[in-house]
Amino acid sequence: AQKVTQAQTEISVVEKEDVTLDCVYETRDTTYYLFWYKQPPSGELVFLIRRNSFDEQNEISGRYSWNFQKSTSSFNFTITASQVVDSAVYFCALSTSGTYKYIFGTGTRLKVLA
Amino acid sequence: DAGVIQSPRHEVTEMGQEVTLRCKPISGHDYLFWYRQTMMRGLELLIYFNNNVPIDDSGMPEDRFSAKMPNASFSTLKIQPSEPRDSAVYFCASSSAGGNQETQYFGPGTRLLVL
Repeated sequence: AQKVTQAQTEISVVEKEDVTLDCVYETRDTTYYLFWYKQPPSGELVFLIRRNSFDEQNEISGRYSWNFQKSTSSFNFTITASQVVDSAVYFCALSTSGTYKYIFGTGTRLKVLA
Repeated sequence: DAGVIQSPRHEVTEMGQEVTLRCKPISGHDYLFWYRQTMMRGLELLIYFNNNVPIDDSGMPEDRFSAKMPNASFSTLKIQPSEPRDSAVYFCASSSAGGNQETQYFGPGTRLLVL
């Protein structure tokens, strides 16, 4: 069975704090893709990053970084020096090769307080 | 480049009325997905198409829902008759088998309220 678990329902931090959003996935496939999306209060779903199962390199993009660890089936997302504009619901998703379907986690609501 | 376009952005209707949601995928994308998002059930995949052909409609809740893709640049999701429990945000997304494959790009969504 394939599954994505985002155990943190809601996180509140004060501006400039670092915050890590957890994502744990389950799949028996050896080829798969992992994604993070941001859903700000305006409602749209914004693509942030895609990772394939053969690329365990961590990635940094500005204040965002992603830690992919196959050994623990995790794909965690860290925001450094959080800002109020980071307030949103963040979704992790899994897709196995060839299916093109996503399995979404339930999302983590991040509130960054000024 | 234009992203995924959905219309209308908001729809308010009365129970029993027919509702049609529209989607224009990103040009060149050959996969199109319809999702529904509610507080109770989160993001649910309703149906997806490849090259205009429905591949998996197992998420369509019941016969009141139907989806079509008459050509590569247009899809509709129809609810007839609508019910209050259909109130949700409906997203359309598209992706391509090549390039940055399997990445889905979402439209802004249609917020549907059935009274």
